[in-house]
Amino acid sequence: DAMVIQNPRYQVTQFGKPVTLSCSQTLNHNVMYWYQQKSSQAPKLLFHYYDKDFNNEADTPDNFQSRRPNTSFCFLDIRSPGLGDAAMYLCATQSPYDANEKLFFGSGTQLSVL
Amino acid sequence: DAKTTQPTSMDCAEGRAANLPCNHSTISGNEYVYWYRQIHSQGPQYIIHGLKNNETNEMASLIITEDRKSSTLILPHATLRDTAVYYCIVRVATTGNQFYFGTGTSLTVIP
Repeated sequence: DAMVIQNPRYQVTQFGKPVTLSCSQTLNHNVMYWYQQKSSQAPKLLFHYYDKDFNNEADTPDNFQSRRPNTSFCFLDIRSPGLGDAAMYLCATQSPYDANEKLFFGSGTQLSVL
Repeated sequence: DAKTTQPTSMDCAEGRAANLPCNHSTISGNEYVYWYRQIHSQGPQYIIHGLKNNETNEMASLIITEDRKSSTLILPHATLRDTAVYYCIVRVATTGNQFYFGTGTSLTVIP
């Protein structure tokens, strides 16, 4: 009974070719986050949604966009992937009704750029 | 949110207690200490969090010093499956307030 689902697990794209990563959740959580994690580094927050309100981190490149059409789904669009965008992309959710305020992560999508 | 400092790596013998330290000397009164861990190629997993009192759950114990400037995560009987990167995060517990991950401690449990 997976709660935060990321598809695909592995994604290969070509340099400059747009790619979309998807995340879905069965938890009905209000908040959804996208993190980028490069090899041997800590996860880096790109942006998050609180319901429909989008919050971008100041240092997130314009090349990264996100969409959240409904509570359950959130997409990460990379408009023109570069070699430096190869990374694990992690989606996480959070509920305002959870006293522990904890994040629930998906298993991630490993993106390769050729 | 306050910054944290953790050792880069640690080893622990299987079956022994693993004690992972974290310094957060600039922590504010309303900031909580959270611990997450990330097993290779998986998403991070919540372990425990606390404000000022020591906390214990089925996974670990969290000891916070009286001045709150440092804390220790304790895995009482480490197993090989506890080999992971452990992240200490300090944040105000407000929904939508971000979790910023530091470099973490890579714990290796040795048979």
